[in-house]
Amino acid sequence: ETGVTQTPRHLVMGMTNKKSLKCEQHLGHNAMYWYKQSAKKPLELMFVYSLEERVENNSVPSRFSPECPNSSHLFLHLHTLQPEDSALYLCASSQVPTGASYNEQFFGPGTRLTVL
Amino acid sequence: GENVEQHPSTLSVQEGDSAVIKCTYSDSASNYFPWYKQELGKGPQLIIDIRSNVGEKKDQRIAVTLNKTAKHFSLHITETQPEDSAVYFCAAYSGGGADGLTFGKGTHLIIQP
Repeated sequence: ETGVTQTPRHLVMGMTNKKSLKCEQHLGHNAMYWYKQSAKKPLELMFVYSLEERVENNSVPSRFSPECPNSSHLFLHLHTLQPEDSALYLCASSQVPTGASYNEQFFGPGTRLTVL
Repeated sequence: GENVEQHPSTLSVQEGDSAVIKCTYSDSASNYFPWYKQELGKGPQLIIDIRSNVGEKKDQRIAVTLNKTAKHFSLHITETQPEDSAVYFCAAYSGGGADGLTFGKGTHLIIQP
């Protein structure tokens, strides 16, 4: 496997279910991200992990719970979601920016989530 | 915080013609501007980027220009081909760490045969 992988690619769940999205990066990066992509909206940054520590929450509802056990893996745990949470969830990774530099983010293919 | 505006939301051009997508940003401290291409069923892929110390960058049929004074940057695609059909996102990085990248809403580019 190369790059950033995400599983599952598609997920349908009821509002009372609990599920988890998984992301794995094979690029040796030390920062990982969760984004939400809804139709006709900008990419919404949900969570950032830099050196395995969460650095940004962006007021995401508590029904989304991230986990980063190591620099290569990132999870998004889902519970009691709402239909408006249906979207494409994208994972990305990068090197942690240092000083005035910035290294590009590499995205996975996303998980298409439908909440019934 | 940073605000990135992107226009147009949809762009249809004839195959072989040029396409231009424009973005403006609000934070004068932004210093890195990547462009991403997202094909159907895939995640965004970086296609070109530019840093604030450069005014223009080219890579084959793709070029990006940056006007720091006006705080806008543009993506230019020449000799468009069917495989250029996709959604394109601009972004601006305003520093401050790993969370400093702000995306535009995207442009759906349609190449007409």
